[in-house]
Amino acid sequence: EAGVAQSPRYKIIEKRQSVAFWCNPISGHATLYWYQQILGQGPKLLIQFQNNGVVDDSQLPKDRFSAERLKGVDSTLKIQPAKLEDSAVYLCASSEGGGSPLHFGNGTRLTVT
Amino acid sequence: AQSVAQPEDQVNVAEGNPLTVKCTYSVSGNPYLFWYVQYPNRGLQFLLKYITGDNLVKGSYGFEAEFNKSQTSFHLKKPSALVSDSALYFCAVRPLGSSASKIIFGSGTRLSIRP
Repeated sequence: EAGVAQSPRYKIIEKRQSVAFWCNPISGHATLYWYQQILGQGPKLLIQFQNNGVVDDSQLPKDRFSAERLKGVDSTLKIQPAKLEDSAVYLCASSEGGGSPLHFGNGTRLTVT
Repeated sequence: AQSVAQPEDQVNVAEGNPLTVKCTYSVSGNPYLFWYVQYPNRGLQFLLKYITGDNLVKGSYGFEAEFNKSQTSFHLKKPSALVSDSALYFCAVRPLGSSASKIIFGSGTRLSIRP
Protein backbone atom coordinates (compact mmCIF):
# COMPACT_ATOMS: atom_id res chain seq x y z
CA GLU A 1 0.00 0.00 0.00
CA ALA A 2 1.13 3.57 -0.55
CA GLY A 3 2.39 5.26 2.58
CA VAL A 4 1.62 8.66 4.08
CA ALA A 5 2.70 11.40 1.68
CA GLN A 6 3.94 14.77 2.88
CA SER A 7 5.18 17.84 1.07
CA PRO A 8 7.38 19.75 0.94
CA ARG A 9 10.30 17.83 2.47
CA TYR A 10 12.17 20.98 3.42
CA LYS A 11 11.17 24.60 3.86
CA ILE A 12 13.18 27.64 4.89
CA ILE A 13 11.35 30.86 5.70
CA GLU A 14 11.98 34.07 7.59
CA LYS A 15 10.22 34.82 10.84
CA ARG A 16 6.80 36.41 10.47
CA GLN A 17 6.27 34.71 7.09
CA SER A 18 3.61 32.08 6.57
CA VAL A 19 4.01 28.46 5.51
CA ALA A 20 1.75 25.50 4.73
CA PHE A 21 2.34 21.76 4.83
CA TRP A 22 0.32 19.11 3.07
CA CYS A 23 -0.41 15.51 4.03
CA ASN A 24 -2.18 12.68 2.22
CA PRO A 25 -2.86 9.75 4.55
CA ILE A 26 -3.09 6.08 3.72
CA SER A 27 -6.34 5.36 1.90
CA GLY A 28 -9.12 4.39 4.27
CA HIS A 29 -7.44 5.66 7.44
CA ALA A 30 -10.01 7.69 9.34
CA THR A 31 -7.63 9.17 11.90
CA LEU A 32 -5.00 11.74 10.93
CA TYR A 33 -2.42 13.35 13.21
CA TRP A 34 -0.02 16.25 12.96
CA TYR A 35 3.01 16.09 15.26
CA GLN A 36 5.79 18.60 15.87
CA GLN A 37 9.22 17.11 16.54
CA ILE A 38 11.86 19.52 17.79
CA LEU A 39 15.45 18.32 17.47
CA GLY A 40 16.33 15.95 20.29
CA GLN A 41 12.75 15.52 21.49
CA GLY A 42 9.91 13.12 20.94
CA PRO A 43 6.98 14.01 18.70
CA LYS A 44 4.39 16.30 20.27
CA LEU A 45 0.79 16.04 19.09
CA LEU A 46 -0.53 19.25 17.57
CA ILE A 47 -3.90 18.09 16.28
CA GLN A 48 -5.83 14.87 15.74
CA PHE A 49 -8.66 14.45 13.23
CA GLN A 50 -11.26 11.71 13.07
CA ASN A 51 -12.52 11.90 9.49
CA ASN A 52 -13.01 15.65 9.03
CA GLY A 53 -13.68 16.44 12.67
CA VAL A 54 -11.13 17.62 15.24
CA VAL A 55 -10.67 15.20 18.15
CA ASP A 56 -7.84 16.93 19.99
CA ASP A 57 -6.18 20.27 19.34
CA SER A 58 -5.30 21.11 22.92
CA GLN A 59 -1.60 21.65 22.15
CA LEU A 60 -2.07 23.56 18.91
CA PRO A 61 -0.98 27.23 19.27
CA LYS A 62 -4.17 28.52 17.77
CA ASP A 63 -3.03 32.11 17.53
CA ARG A 64 -0.64 31.11 14.74
CA PHE A 65 -1.30 27.50 13.76
CA SER A 66 -4.32 26.19 11.88
CA ALA A 67 -5.17 22.87 10.30
CA GLU A 68 -7.98 21.49 8.23
CA ARG A 69 -9.01 18.18 6.79
CA LEU A 70 -11.71 19.00 4.30
CA LYS A 71 -13.57 15.96 2.95
CA GLY A 72 -11.87 13.79 5.56
CA VAL A 73 -8.93 12.80 3.38
CA ASP A 74 -5.88 14.99 2.94
CA SER A 75 -4.92 17.74 5.35
CA THR A 76 -3.01 21.00 5.50
CA LEU A 77 -1.24 22.57 8.45
CA LYS A 78 -0.52 26.30 8.31
CA ILE A 79 1.66 28.58 10.40
CA GLN A 80 1.10 32.33 10.21
CA PRO A 81 3.18 34.16 11.29
CA ALA A 82 6.14 31.86 11.94
CA LYS A 83 8.47 32.28 14.89
CA LEU A 84 12.04 31.07 15.34
CA GLU A 85 10.87 28.44 17.85
CA ASP A 86 8.68 26.85 15.17
CA SER A 87 11.81 25.36 13.58
CA ALA A 88 11.14 21.64 13.75
CA VAL A 89 10.10 18.61 11.75
CA TYR A 90 6.36 18.41 11.18
CA LEU A 91 5.17 14.83 10.96
CA CYS A 92 1.86 13.64 9.62
CA ALA A 93 0.55 10.21 10.59
CA SER A 94 -2.60 8.20 9.96
CA SER A 95 -4.18 5.12 11.45
CA GLU A 96 -7.28 2.96 11.30
CA GLY A 97 -7.98 3.83 14.93
CA GLY A 98 -8.37 1.64 17.99
CA GLY A 99 -5.17 -0.25 18.73
CA SER A 100 -3.84 0.12 15.22
CA PRO A 101 -0.36 1.65 14.94
CA LEU A 102 0.33 5.04 13.44
CA HIS A 103 1.87 5.21 9.99
CA PHE A 104 4.11 8.25 9.57
CA GLY A 105 5.18 10.27 6.58
CA ASN A 106 8.80 11.36 6.19
CA GLY A 107 8.00 14.79 7.57
CA THR A 108 8.65 18.39 6.57
CA ARG A 109 11.74 20.01 8.06
CA LEU A 110 10.98 23.68 8.70
CA THR A 111 13.74 26.19 9.38
CA VAL A 112 12.70 29.67 10.46
CA THR A 113 15.48 32.29 10.20
CA ALA B 1 -2.39 12.60 33.06
CA GLN B 2 -0.67 10.06 30.90
CA SER B 3 3.08 10.13 30.37
CA VAL B 4 5.95 8.09 29.00
CA ALA B 5 9.52 8.07 30.29
CA GLN B 6 12.59 6.82 28.51
CA PRO B 7 15.26 7.25 31.18
CA GLU B 8 18.28 6.78 28.92
CA ASP B 9 19.13 9.35 26.25
CA GLN B 10 21.65 6.95 24.71
CA VAL B 11 22.40 3.24 24.86
CA ASN B 12 25.68 1.85 23.55
CA VAL B 13 26.04 -1.85 22.78
CA ALA B 14 28.59 -3.98 20.98
CA GLU B 15 27.39 -5.86 17.91
CA GLY B 16 26.22 -9.35 18.79
CA ASN B 17 25.39 -8.47 22.39
CA PRO B 18 21.85 -8.26 23.73
CA LEU B 19 20.26 -4.84 23.98
CA THR B 20 17.56 -3.30 26.14
CA VAL B 21 15.92 0.10 25.71
CA LYS B 22 13.85 1.08 28.73
CA CYS B 23 10.37 2.59 28.85
CA THR B 24 8.01 3.26 31.74
CA TYR B 25 4.57 4.75 31.50
CA SER B 26 1.75 6.29 33.47
CA VAL B 27 -1.82 6.03 32.21
CA SER B 28 -5.31 5.73 33.63
CA GLY B 29 -6.60 2.23 33.04
CA ASN B 30 -5.03 -0.29 30.72
CA PRO B 31 -2.72 0.91 27.96
CA TYR B 32 -1.95 0.38 24.36
CA LEU B 33 1.86 0.41 24.15
CA PHE B 34 4.01 0.89 21.07
CA TRP B 35 7.63 1.06 19.99
CA TYR B 36 8.75 3.03 16.96
CA VAL B 37 12.15 3.48 15.31
CA GLN B 38 13.35 6.59 13.49
CA TYR B 39 16.23 6.66 11.02
CA PRO B 40 17.84 9.98 9.98
CA ASN B 41 15.60 12.25 7.93
CA ARG B 42 12.74 9.77 8.05
CA GLY B 43 9.43 9.48 9.84
CA LEU B 44 8.82 6.99 12.62
CA GLN B 45 8.39 3.34 11.71
CA PHE B 46 6.23 0.98 13.75
CA LEU B 47 8.11 -1.90 15.43
CA LEU B 48 5.62 -3.61 17.72
CA LYS B 49 2.64 -3.11 20.01
CA TYR B 50 1.03 -4.52 23.11
CA ILE B 51 -2.73 -4.49 23.63
CA THR B 52 -3.65 -7.56 25.67
CA GLY B 53 -2.51 -11.14 26.07
CA ASP B 54 1.01 -12.49 26.24
CA ASN B 55 3.34 -10.11 28.03
CA LEU B 56 6.15 -10.79 25.55
CA VAL B 57 5.46 -9.21 22.21
CA LYS B 58 7.50 -9.91 19.09
CA GLY B 59 7.92 -7.35 16.34
CA SER B 60 9.90 -6.36 13.28
CA TYR B 61 13.64 -6.88 12.74
CA GLY B 62 13.98 -9.38 15.61
CA PHE B 63 12.88 -6.94 18.30
CA GLU B 64 10.64 -7.90 21.19
CA ALA B 65 9.24 -6.09 24.19
CA GLU B 66 8.08 -7.21 27.60
CA PHE B 67 5.03 -5.70 29.25
CA ASN B 68 5.24 -5.58 33.05
CA LYS B 69 2.04 -4.28 34.59
CA SER B 70 3.31 -4.10 38.18
CA GLN B 71 6.33 -2.06 37.15
CA THR B 72 4.42 -0.15 34.44
CA SER B 73 7.24 -0.87 32.02
CA PHE B 74 7.52 -1.90 28.40
CA HIS B 75 11.21 -2.43 27.69
CA LEU B 76 12.42 -3.10 24.14
CA LYS B 77 14.86 -5.97 23.70
CA LYS B 78 16.85 -7.83 21.10
CA PRO B 79 19.00 -10.91 21.77
CA SER B 80 21.80 -9.98 19.35
CA ALA B 81 22.35 -6.39 18.18
CA LEU B 82 23.27 -5.41 14.63
CA VAL B 83 25.08 -2.25 13.53
CA SER B 84 22.04 -1.51 11.37
CA ASP B 85 19.92 -1.28 14.55
CA SER B 86 21.59 2.06 15.30
CA ALA B 87 18.76 4.61 15.30
CA LEU B 88 16.43 6.62 17.53
CA TYR B 89 13.77 4.62 19.38
CA PHE B 90 10.50 5.95 20.78
CA CYS B 91 8.07 4.37 23.18
CA ALA B 92 4.42 5.50 23.00
CA VAL B 93 1.28 4.95 25.08
CA ARG B 94 -2.47 5.42 24.72
CA PRO B 95 -5.25 4.44 27.12
CA LEU B 96 -7.17 1.36 26.02
CA GLY B 97 -10.68 1.66 24.73
CA SER B 98 -10.76 5.04 23.09
CA SER B 99 -9.50 5.79 19.62
CA ALA B 100 -9.94 9.44 20.44
CA SER B 101 -7.37 9.36 23.21
CA LYS B 102 -4.09 11.09 22.65
CA ILE B 103 -1.02 8.99 21.84
CA ILE B 104 1.94 10.22 23.88
CA PHE B 105 5.54 9.62 22.85
CA GLY B 106 8.60 9.42 25.04
CA SER B 107 11.61 11.63 24.48
CA GLY B 108 13.50 8.94 22.62
CA THR B 109 16.61 6.83 23.16
CA ARG B 110 19.49 6.85 20.71
CA LEU B 111 20.79 3.33 20.22
CA SER B 112 24.37 3.04 19.01
CA ILE B 113 25.74 -0.37 18.04
CA ARG B 114 29.51 -0.53 17.63
CA PRO B 115 31.07 -3.13 15.33
